[in-house]
Amino acid sequence: DIQMTQSPSTLSASVGDRVIITCRASQSISSWLAWYQQKPGKAPKLLIYKASSLESGVPSRFSGSGSGTEFTLAISSLQPDDFATYYCQQYNSYPWTFGQGTKLEIK
Amino acid sequence: QVQLVQSGAEVKKPGASVKVSCKASGYTFTTYPIHWVRQAPGQRLEWMGWINVGNGNTKYSQKFEGRVTVTRDTSASTAYMELSSLRSEDTAVYYCARDGGEVFQYWGQGTLVTVSS
Repeated sequence: DIQMTQSPSTLSASVGDRVIITCRASQSISSWLAWYQQKPGKAPKLLIYKASSLESGVPSRFSGSGSGTEFTLAISSLQPDDFATYYCQQYNSYPWTFGQGTKLEIK
Repeated sequence: QVQLVQSGAEVKKPGASVKVSCKASGYTFTTYPIHWVRQAPGQRLEWMGWINVGNGNTKYSQKFEGRVTVTRDTSASTAYMELSSLRSEDTAVYYCARDGGEVFQYWGQGTLVTVSS
């Protein structure tokens, strides 16, 4: 199975900050990577697919980049609604696997 | 709008089976695959398998092969996930999700399955 590792596991930031979350794959997954946002007690929400394509309706302050084994999710100018847990997911090969999550907290 | 509505919470004893339903609306049910993903308390999300709703073909994670069965009823626009031989480690929230180019584009609200003696 492809292992997905996110860093950091927890990130403290303030409203208005720019933050970057990193996701590393244990082997190359080309650009077959998605990012999700999850709030407590809720289902995840798709933000980014194919590493850098923004899902419809997702604010443009979210952006993704990378290919191969290293990927990033950037959020420019954090809003109060952005404090949540973020997961990366590879869909290059079965079984599709997720990172352990990055919890974005208010500083 | 696309909606996936799942069945309610379940409490099961070890060794039992559970069947969770996922009713779809707002789109043509047979057009998109449905996935099942679970999340144990404090753990990462875990993909279990999917069904091609159009032809009924399935693909499962090897971890669950032999214990999970995903089916669908096209007349009811509903997908089902049955997990057998339950153990305490299967306590989790189970989600269905509609495929959107091999990503999980729309999600159900989740169904908590608790396995306890």
